[in-house]
Amino acid sequence: AQSVTQLDSHVSVSEGTPVLLRCNYSSSYSPSLFWYVQHPNKGLQLLLKYTSAATLVKGINGFEAEFKKSETSFHLTKPSAHMSDAAEYFCVVSDNWYSSASKIIFGSGTRLSIRP
Amino acid sequence: EAGVTQFPSHSVIEKGQTVTLRCDPISGHDNLYWYRRVMGKEIKFLLHFVKESKQDESGMPNNRFLAERTGGTYSTLKVQPAELEDSGVYFCASSKKVPGQGPGTQYFGPGTRLTVL
Repeated sequence: AQSVTQLDSHVSVSEGTPVLLRCNYSSSYSPSLFWYVQHPNKGLQLLLKYTSAATLVKGINGFEAEFKKSETSFHLTKPSAHMSDAAEYFCVVSDNWYSSASKIIFGSGTRLSIRP
Repeated sequence: EAGVTQFPSHSVIEKGQTVTLRCDPISGHDNLYWYRRVMGKEIKFLLHFVKESKQDESGMPNNRFLAERTGGTYSTLKVQPAELEDSGVYFCASSKKVPGQGPGTQYFGPGTRLTVL
């Protein structure tokens, strides 16, 4: 069985400071992991994905995430927050990525606020 | 390339009425998914189409929900009769299978916000 836990429901940082959004997963297989972002009144946008290639994944808008199997983590980071980063972020896990029956499971989401 | 589109963006209905949500996937994407987020809860899987066939409908909450994908293009999700607990945001996603891999990365639409009064 697969599951994903986002450790913080809300994170608030000052503009220009680093961002860390935490995600831990549980998976029976080698997982594929994703981060999606939802800006207010917008759809879910793919930020980045890990599907068994390089463990450090770079995404859009300066975000990156590192897959750490020993810690079962896939934390999302950005060196310097921008006001436009304010949104809700979802960590997503997919078991058995290579199967046509592969299913994705969402974390509960982390709302990121940016202080001027 | 146009993204996944959903219609309507917002629907307000009374308990007992019927509502039909529509999703148009990205052209060429055989996989189509429906998800729902009830307020304060996680985004939950409802079902998965491969072309016009239901691959997995294990997430459908009950038989008041009916999803179709005639012709393997757009999909509809009908709720009949709607109940208060059906309120939430309904997301649609589509993906294209990559040879040698799984069903492909899912791309999401903006969602339909359903309010049942």
